[in-house]
Order: sequence, then C-alpha cells, then structure tokens
Amino acid sequence: GNSVTQMEGPVTLSEEAFLTINCTYTATGYPSLFWYVQYPGEGLQLLLKATKADDKGSNKGFEATYRKETTSFHLEKGSVQVSDSAVYFCALSPTGANSKLTFGKGITLSVRP
Amino acid sequence: GAGVSQSPSNKVTEKGKDVELRCDPISGHTALYWYRQSLGQGLEFLIYFQGNSAPDKSGLPSDRFSAERTGGSVSTLTIQRTQQEDSAVYLCASSFLGLAGDGELFFGEGSRLTVL
Repeated sequence: GNSVTQMEGPVTLSEEAFLTINCTYTATGYPSLFWYVQYPGEGLQLLLKATKADDKGSNKGFEATYRKETTSFHLEKGSVQVSDSAVYFCALSPTGANSKLTFGKGITLSVRP
Repeated sequence: GAGVSQSPSNKVTEKGKDVELRCDPISGHTALYWYRQSLGQGLEFLIYFQGNSAPDKSGLPSDRFSAERTGGSVSTLTIQRTQQEDSAVYLCASSFLGLAGDGELFFGEGSRLTVL
C-alpha cells in the first residue's frame, strides 16, 4: 500500500536558520506529492505540491522537489521565521478519480526569535 | 461560509454514548473527506464522499463508525457506543473535484472528541 515517512520531530530552530524536513514515500505508479501545514489553532492548508518527477513545488519561501529515484520530497527553506512555527505534513495521492491523500505523521517546527 | 465548518469544536462524552460530528463543506465542493488525527499517529483516512455517495469507506475502523452526506453538502460522522480509543481530533476536508482535480483539500479546524 501507499505510505509516507517523515523524519522524527520536534524540530527547534533559531530565526533565519536553514530548514530541511525529510519525507520519503512508498507508492505504486506516479503519485502526486504534497506538503500541508497546520498553524496553531487553524486547519491544515496546502503549502505546496508536485505532480510529476523532477517538478519543484514552491510557496512562501518553501521548496520541495519530487525525486522519483530516491522516492523523496524533502521540504526546505533558506531562512525560517518565527511565523513558520507549525506542524508540517507530507502527503501523497495516487493519480485518478476517487483518490485520497495518505499523510505522514507530521513534524512540529518551532522557530525561536 | 468562507471555509469548511465543523461542529462541535469540542465534545466530551462518556464511554458507551453515541456522538455525531458535523461538517459543512465549502459551497460547491463535490468531494468531502473525513480524517482522524490522533497524537503520534498522524492523519488517518476514514471515508470519502463524491456527492452523496461514498466510493471509499475503507478507513472506517469498525462498524461503530458511519457517515452520511445529504444534498451533496453537509456530512455527519456518527460514532456509536464510543470507546476511549476513539478520542481524537476528527477533521473534515472538501475539494471542488477531489484529488482528480487540482489536488487541494480545504480542511476545517476539526472536532476534538474526548471519551471518558
């Protein structure tokens, strides 16, 4: 079956530090890959996505590249801000109708001023 | 409304009681999903609706769990004879076309269920 594995958390960084959150997946075929973010007190929201190999998703200074050879979709940001403190979820979806998102366990990021 | 609305936001119940959780999706969204978020377990898929039908209910953990959707809009998740292991945050999400579309799900803030 499909699965997503995220690195263990939580992660605590100082403001302006470089961020990498690892995500690897297991799936048949060519799934679409997503990062969702959950800010404190809010619902999950889509951060970025990539639908095919070598695609790079980007938003709000975050980037992730779909690497089929390593089955990975690591999230990176060059300089984090306090406002980036949130829970980050990696997810995948098979192509086609009636698909569902399979999520990783999520990782909590805390950014110190 | 502007976003996905869930109620109640918090529910505390006694073991063995039935509970109903409601989801009001974004107007016009045909696809609706229920997920469960437990501490340390991530998000667990429960059921997916396209319109009023549920082509995928494979994630419902037992026959104590059921869900329905009426009028292609509001959905209710019902848990009968609640158990302590049902304690979790139940999340609802909607999407214009489902994941066959642009792939973006819009989530509500969840209903936190505590079973004593």
